[in-house]
Amino acid sequence: NAGVTQTPKFRVLKTGQSMTLLCAQDMNHEYMYWYRQDPGMGLRLIHYSVGEGTTAKGEVPDGYNVSRLKKQNFLLGLESAAPSQTSVYFCASSYMDRYTGELFFGEGSRLTVL
Amino acid sequence: GEDVEQSLFLSVREGDSSVINCTYTDSSSTYLYWYKQEPGAGLQLLTYIFSNMDMKQDQRLTVLLNKKDKHLSLRIADTQTGDSAIYFCAERGDTGGFKTIFGAGTRLFVKA
Repeated sequence: NAGVTQTPKFRVLKTGQSMTLLCAQDMNHEYMYWYRQDPGMGLRLIHYSVGEGTTAKGEVPDGYNVSRLKKQNFLLGLESAAPSQTSVYFCASSYMDRYTGELFFGEGSRLTVL
Repeated sequence: GEDVEQSLFLSVREGDSSVINCTYTDSSSTYLYWYKQEPGAGLQLLTYIFSNMDMKQDQRLTVLLNKKDKHLSLRIADTQTGDSAIYFCAERGDTGGFKTIFGAGTRLFVKA
């Protein structure tokens, strides 16, 4: 039972470098989300997707891009990393289901930008 | 925009009850949740309540919802050291891609 898998789990970048975080889910979920978690601020939504080929902006989208080319994958890209993007990033997915709306989370990716 | 607020820390003794409080601003919230995050892990759904309910009980957990005051609480009876974690209050409406908005999380410390 893999659920939601994020890679890589840890990464250190220099300012200005680029990278991509990969999220993969094997539950056939329609909806996928990228959050960032910072101390004292909880989880803030970066971007989300309601289906293959669609993406939308969340609360804090600046400096990030996303793509959902396949239903099971949701990629988060940083084109030019900044120290303010040091954070723990969580991917989540859910059914297109109005009953519970439960989010299933990955274990997180810790990113440090120097 | 929507906002969810909760206190950052709570400390209780083992065996006591813990009560974690949360307030939210979105009057169209349909679903309200409590998620638990253990160290080094992602969040897991602990329990949820629909906005047309006042209370939900699940073993040691009791969720109370005051929709008029937009106040949600989570009570953990007979708190154990294994309950030490961060507890996130969250809400979701019926529109806008079903986005779930989270509070900052309450870190629960359980003293033996």
